[in-house]
Amino acid sequence: DVKVTQSSRYLVKRTGEKVFLECVQDMDHENMFWYRQDPGLGLRLIYFSYDVKMKEKGDIPEGYSVSREKKERFSLILESASTNQTSMYLCASRVVNEQFFGPGTRLTVL
Amino acid sequence: GIQVEQSPPDLILQEGANSTLRCNFSDSVNNLQWFHQNPWGQLINLFYIPSGTKQNGRLSATTVATERYSLLYISSSQTTDSGVYFCAVATSYGKLTFGQGTILTVHP
Repeated sequence: DVKVTQSSRYLVKRTGEKVFLECVQDMDHENMFWYRQDPGLGLRLIYFSYDVKMKEKGDIPEGYSVSREKKERFSLILESASTNQTSMYLCASRVVNEQFFGPGTRLTVL
Repeated sequence: GIQVEQSPPDLILQEGANSTLRCNFSDSVNNLQWFHQNPWGQLINLFYIPSGTKQNGRLSATTVATERYSLLYISSSQTTDSGVYFCAVATSYGKLTFGQGTILTVHP
């Protein structure tokens, strides 16, 4: 079975903090993705990565950066968290053409 | 970019009823997936179905790629089927575009 894990289920941070969200997959997949989900706006792609050290902007990259130093780990970084980044963050990994998602991280920025 | 529309937006059923969820998309796709989002927020893979028909227990799905739509059938619904059902499509590089979802509520 494909397994995608995320470092936290719930996270509370303060405005201006640097926040790291971690995602790990155990299937040696090359492609990994970060989405955010907001009521009324659905799921939107933030960043994705084809391989180690490679990254591409998605539809809403502003305010975020990513890091992929190892194939199994894809990190989403909020350089200076803001209240409008309060959201559900979902990581996914792709095998052939099918994406599998982690359990999600509910981030609240106060 | 590609547009994905799901209908109906909300669906309320009694346990045991059947239902059909629809997904329309605006361009040719090389990937189409159906997901169920559980109450804890996790997206559970139901089907990978860029074309054709598949069945898994009480669920089945059909995609008619030439007409740009997909259908998800749920038979003999159970309360555990409640949640949000998403259709998502990809055109290139595996980037999924999601529909807005159908909120399904099944009452005992």
